[in-house]
Amino acid sequence: GAVVSQHPSRVICKSGTSVKIECRSLDFQATTMFWYRQFPKQSLMLMATSNEGSKATYEQGVEKDKFLINHASLTLSTLTVTSAHPEDSSFYICSAEKPGRRTDTQYFGPGTRLTVL
Amino acid sequence: GQQLNQSPQSMFIQEGEDVSMNCTSSSIFNTWLWYKQEPGEGPVLLIALYKAGELTSNGRLTAQFGITRKDSFLNISASIPSDVGIYFCAGLNAGGTSYGKLTFGQGTILTVHP
Repeated sequence: GAVVSQHPSRVICKSGTSVKIECRSLDFQATTMFWYRQFPKQSLMLMATSNEGSKATYEQGVEKDKFLINHASLTLSTLTVTSAHPEDSSFYICSAEKPGRRTDTQYFGPGTRLTVL
Repeated sequence: GQQLNQSPQSMFIQEGEDVSMNCTSSSIFNTWLWYKQEPGEGPVLLIALYKAGELTSNGRLTAQFGITRKDSFLNISASIPSDVGIYFCAGLNAGGTSYGKLTFGQGTILTVHP
């Protein structure tokens, strides 16, 4: 199997607070995980690539000091939205890369709905 | 940058009908993937295609990797209400600075009327 979990599934916070989202690969080890953001009725937008034991690589336009990523183990990556504002409200989805015989395949978590008041 | 053009954007069909959607790219991919996303959930992998010309089935789903490596299609036969969702194609980048990253199509919203 290839199960990826995310916690929490929903979070509501006040403007100015920080929120941490966890992404776990439950039945495989993932050297690489990815963090995406998705707006309603739109496609997934890659925010950053999370590599175990090293710094994350951020996509152009994504503030690394705003979206802190930590990939402390082969099964856990965390995304912290610092000093959240209403415009950070979105659906955040992680994926974990599972090594395969033919190629590595990304398996996605169920997503985290963030609402900033 | 790379872009995937997915069509149609949405489909409204009757239960039992067949469905076809496709993706085209301005550049080559070595792997094509098709995902389904239901409301409030993450995408679930349906089919992975690894070789140009490859035709792969998963139950009522069939997908093909175009011979030019710039396109792919997904067919769903005999649709049922639980097929409702958003279907995304994705190309896996195999080289350069985008190695390992997925490029997604815009999605096809499928509605099935009983």
